[in-house]
Amino acid sequence: DAGITQSPRHKVTETGTPVTLRCHQTENHRYMYWYRQDPGHGLRLIHYSYGVKDTDKGEVSDGYSVSRSKTEDFLLTLESATSSQTSVYFCAIRRGGTDTQYFGPGTRLTVL
Amino acid sequence: EDKVVQSPLSLVVHEGDTVTLNCSYEVTNFRSLLWYKQEKKAPTFLFMLTSSGIEKKSGRLSSILDKKELFSILNITATQTGDSAIYLCAVEGGYSGGSNYKLTFGKGTLLTVNP
Repeated sequence: DAGITQSPRHKVTETGTPVTLRCHQTENHRYMYWYRQDPGHGLRLIHYSYGVKDTDKGEVSDGYSVSRSKTEDFLLTLESATSSQTSVYFCAIRRGGTDTQYFGPGTRLTVL
Repeated sequence: EDKVVQSPLSLVVHEGDTVTLNCSYEVTNFRSLLWYKQEKKAPTFLFMLTSSGIEKKSGRLSSILDKKELFSILNITATQTGDSAIYLCAVEGGYSGGSNYKLTFGKGTLLTVNP
């Protein structure tokens, strides 16, 4: 348990609506990541953060934005959800002592 | 572009069998290779390998890295039904060059262990 929570855990929404997913950590880690996982594609990096207000894009960032206004929270926003964004979203932190990433429990998002 | 290829993509074995899962990679500024196990939830960390030829072991699981040939293997001996899962391989690029410790994942190997 790396002290990571994600909310909501499940969400069903309609095409065109905005959606925000939250990742919260309790261990003060600098690096945080958002991934999506789809059958046949494995885990793909959407965006990541290397500090408060410091973020950068991953390999599948189109249609997503992120914000990190405090160390413990990393938000992923879908400005206008599309059916192709139906997926399971995982947040991760990088634990500096072990140099490994640990994952939150995931959010299952369905866009109808 | 960093790339990780796992094989086989799926595997069905009987309890007691030994399995070998493969992971090959191409990455700039290689820092480490990680193995994760994923059941019906989030991936859980198994091993991190940074040096060639050094085996990491945990019970019936072991893994080794070959940095010259750019691959790793994960062995599971005396498999049990509880080993059924997706096994994910990932490589981490280091900080130099601006990669900010990003992980690139393979597509995973789905292992099914039948009783």
